[in-house]
Amino acid sequence: KQEVTQIPAALSVPEGENLVLNCSFTDSAIYNLQWFRQDPGKGLTSLLLIQSSQREQTSGRLNASLDKSSGRSTLYIAASQPGDSATYLCAALSSMDSNYQLIWGAGTKLIIKP
Amino acid sequence: EAQVTQNPRYLITVTGKKLTVTCSQNMNHEYMSWYRQDPGLGLRQIYYSMNVEVTDKGDVPEGYKVSRKEKRNFPLILESPSPNQTSLYFCASSGGYTGELFFGEGSRLTVL
Repeated sequence: KQEVTQIPAALSVPEGENLVLNCSFTDSAIYNLQWFRQDPGKGLTSLLLIQSSQREQTSGRLNASLDKSSGRSTLYIAASQPGDSATYLCAALSSMDSNYQLIWGAGTKLIIKP
Repeated sequence: EAQVTQNPRYLITVTGKKLTVTCSQNMNHEYMSWYRQDPGLGLRQIYYSMNVEVTDKGDVPEGYKVSRKEKRNFPLILESPSPNQTSLYFCASSGGYTGELFFGEGSRLTVL
């Protein structure tokens, strides 16, 4: 059974630092992996979607990588800003026996200190 | 503007009083889904729909109903709400099951 883990659960860093958020999955049979951000009490916003055949995706200051062999994805945030403070979730679309299921991590709560 | 719209955004109701949370998307997406989010439990899928008139149970379907009569709408129905259905509910859609997922702003439901 696929499991998705995000460690740490919370992270606090000073403004301007580059940082990496981690997402691990137990089964490499994934179709794609998505990163989302969620602001308190709000909906989830899709940040990046990486297909299983891709190694990375970039959008502005964000770069997401995918290594299926090690069961790991990372979200790199460059030059962090207070506006980046949010909870970041990853979700792996797991493919097993022709069925697809989206498995969610519990999220990393990120605080960027001014 | 491409969006997923949920209503109501906030609702307080009493046990047993039927309610419907509406969800509408303007992106012509085939796939739609409902989630609930609870502290410590994360996001859990309630129901999903691959297309019009096609719906399937997710991980926590008990106590909920859905329908997909039109492509753009996917209402969530609580026939007899109970306090354990107090939660933050999200509707989501994508162009296909494997595509990028777009979320609504959420509906916070409290059942007394």
